[in-house]
Parts: sequence; structure tokens; C-alpha cells
Amino acid sequence: AQSVTQLDSQVPVFEEAPVELRCNYSSSVSVYLFWYVQYPNQGLQLLLKYLSGSTLVKGINGFEAEFNKSQTSFHLRKPSVHISDTAEYFCAVRASGNTGKLIFGQGTTLQVKP
Amino acid sequence: EPEVTQTPSHQVTQMGQEVILRCVPISNHLYFYWYRQILGQKVEFLVSFYNNEISEKSEIFDDQFSVERPDGSNFTLKIRSTKLEDSAMYFCASSLGQGPYNEQFFGPGTRLTVL
Repeated sequence: AQSVTQLDSQVPVFEEAPVELRCNYSSSVSVYLFWYVQYPNQGLQLLLKYLSGSTLVKGINGFEAEFNKSQTSFHLRKPSVHISDTAEYFCAVRASGNTGKLIFGQGTTLQVKP
Repeated sequence: EPEVTQTPSHQVTQMGQEVILRCVPISNHLYFYWYRQILGQKVEFLVSFYNNEISEKSEIFDDQFSVERPDGSNFTLKIRSTKLEDSAMYFCASSLGQGPYNEQFFGPGTRLTVL
């Protein structure tokens, strides 16, 4: 079985500051890793994913994440946030070979302040 | 840009009543999913569906739940006799294929409130 832990429920940050949202996972099999964003009253939107290859992956809106197998982590980063990045962020894993089932973390609310 | 839509956005029902949550997946997608999020908790997988059959279901998806693709465009989740603990946000998702390279596109959700 897989599980995901997002260590911070809320992350307040000032505009133009860097941010890191933390995600750790556990799994006995190989996994694929995802970050989703949810803006108010909208569905979850894929930010980026790690499937294989380079451990540093870049996504939309200037976000990037680094897969660290030894630390079982997939932290999300952005060097300079904007007010419009205020949203809920979800880390998710998917076991290789399964039917598409995503296992999500609890979510982290990013609050960008002016 | 194609998107997944869900209706209604908010459904209020009495305990013991049946509810049907509706989703219209992206038109050429073949794989369909339901997830739910109880307030303050994780988004949880409920069921995946392909070729008119359930591919996988979670422990949450008991006999009170059923899914159907009645007309080739809608994808529905039915809860036969709602309980208070069914109150949650329900998300529908669809994907073109099953592999991890196929993104799951999510709808905006239906908030179900059971009184």
C-alpha cells in the first residue's frame, strides 16, 4: 500500500518570496509522483509529475519539484510566488501497474500575502 | 479547452435518501474515476471505471455505492441510502488512457451535505 504525508497544512508567504511545500511518501513498489493545485471553486489541476528520468521536474506556473528516492520525498518549490498562487496544493502517488488510482496527501494551503 | 463538468455543484439531502451525482467526462476519454474529500481530510479514491466495468474500488465503495455510464456521455455516482458520514466533496475525473503518462482531468466537484 502507498501513503502520502504533506507535512504542512498551511504555508503563509509574502509575495515574491520563495516557497517549498513538503511531501513524503511510502511505498513498497515503484511509484509515480504528482502535484495538483486546486483554486477556489475549481477542480484539481495537474502542476507536474515525475514518472522516470531526471529527478528535477518542471511544471506549469514556474513550479518545480525534486524526486529524492532515498528520502522518499517529492517537495514542490517556486523561487518567487505571486498572489495568484494562493491555492490548495496536493501531492499524490500512484503505484506502477495499477488502474490509475491516485493516493493523495492531506493538502497544503499556500497563502501568499502582499 | 475541454473540461470535466459536474452537476449539481451542491446537493443537500436527508439521511436515508438516494442521491445521484453526475459527471460529464471529456468526450474522447475512456477511463473514469470518482474521488471524495471529507472536510479537513485527504482526497480519497473511490472507484475507477473502464469499458462499462469497475476496474478497481476502495473499501469505502461498498454496496451503497454504484456507478454507471448510462448514455455514453454521462458518468454517475449513486449513493442508495445516504449516511451523515457521506457528507463530502465528490470529484469526478477522466483520462484518455490508463498509464501514468495519461493525465487525469478533474471536475470542480459536487459538495454533498447529508442532514
